Amino acid sequence: DTGVSQDPRHKITKRGQNVTFRCDPISEHNRLYWYRQTLGQGPEFLTYFQNEAQLEKSRLLSDRFSAERPKGSFSTLEIQRTEQGDSAMYLCASSLQGNEAFFGQGTRLTVV
Amino acid sequence: KQEVTQIPAALSVPEGENLVLNCSFTDSAIYNLQWFRQDPGKGLTSLLLIQSSQREQTSGRLNASLDKSSGRSTLYIAASQPGDSATYLCAVSRENTGNQFYFGTGTSLTVIP
Repeated sequence: DTGVSQDPRHKITKRGQNVTFRCDPISEHNRLYWYRQTLGQGPEFLTYFQNEAQLEKSRLLSDRFSAERPKGSFSTLEIQRTEQGDSAMYLCASSLQGNEAFFGQGTRLTVV
Repeated sequence: KQEVTQIPAALSVPEGENLVLNCSFTDSAIYNLQWFRQDPGKGLTSLLLIQSSQREQTSGRLNASLDKSSGRSTLYIAASQPGDSATYLCAVSRENTGNQFYFGTGTSLTVIP
């Protein structure tokens, strides 16, 4: 296991289109997090899973955003009807319980 | 809401210097604090994790300290190298849950050869 993997690394989409990102966490990690980062800022929390249960969602996660983690393994983050303000780096992280968190390389989304 | 501040926002030092990065947080009820490194356009690389009961952690040329009661942490980098150039982020997680990290905006470090 080489760490947290995210796909795709880059995504350019037209405004109004739907996009889906995938995250594969470190295999034994039960916690999975999604963050969003804009230029010059620190990452902002979006949502968190413990195994397959989505336990917390940020107010940043509007109803256009949905995340799943079927069977407590990989996770997907979908953004419907994308807007230019959704352009950001989307980061996934995993940890074992609340211990050290490991991040993936992120998915850079550009909405044109 | 937890607020995390990092000072300075940017730092430029000649190679070989020792340096200190600062992180402060407003709510001392934290579960742990983690320091990360981020290269431009990349994800975050974990450097050090300090549990709330610990005072410091060391890894190679890096030493991180935590003063929970005063809401402060420092990251000390010894004998800096050009390869240390990156943005350094600190993040704290909430007590009892350790699930959501609150990040600072980072310190952009440039080490000049």
